[in-house]
Amino acid sequence: QKEVEQNSGPLSVPEGAIASLNCTYSDRGSQSFFWYRQYSGKSPELIMFIYSNGDKEDGRFTAQLNKASQYVSLLIRDSQPSDSATYLCAYPNYGGSQGNLIFGKGTKLSVKP
Amino acid sequence: DVKVTQSSRYLVKRTGEKVFLECVQDMDHENMFWYRQDPGLGLRLIYFSYDVKMKEKGDIPEGYSVSREKKERFSLILESASTNQTSMYLCACRDTYTDTQYFGPGTRLTVL
Repeated sequence: QKEVEQNSGPLSVPEGAIASLNCTYSDRGSQSFFWYRQYSGKSPELIMFIYSNGDKEDGRFTAQLNKASQYVSLLIRDSQPSDSATYLCAYPNYGGSQGNLIFGKGTKLSVKP
Repeated sequence: DVKVTQSSRYLVKRTGEKVFLECVQDMDHENMFWYRQDPGLGLRLIYFSYDVKMKEKGDIPEGYSVSREKKERFSLILESASTNQTSMYLCACRDTYTDTQYFGPGTRLTVL
């Protein structure tokens, strides 16, 4: 069973701090990973994806991938109250349905002013 | 940017009613998906379609069917709604070059 594990939180950080969200996955063959943000009552929206080991930066967001440890993380620098949301990690299920994503259950982030 | 629309944001139906949820995408993507999302259970795949008139069951297809008569439109049908189908329903389409999925705004369905 392919799985994605995330700490459900809530993770609480003060405004301006770095928020660190983590995800482990079971499929060693996974090549790409996605981070989605979901505000309460809304649908998931893509923040970024990463394909290769190392870091990928996009504005205040940095995704980090370590394939050997089967671990992917998302760092949010200078956290803002508007970053308060649930963050979902996902990777493609290549061996199953045609390209559906396997999602973690999400980590709820709360940024306190 | 990919735009995915869903026919209703909120829907209230009675037990036993037939319910249609519509999803439309504007990017000519072949793959489309229906998920439901429940607290504590995360996103679960109901059905997906990889082309017009082509469909496959996901992880929880029982009580649902789908229709894809045109490439841009993917419909989810609840043949006889039950209270345990009260949920948030999310449609998505997939960019095959990046594997990225783009979601519609969701339909919050309540079955009374």
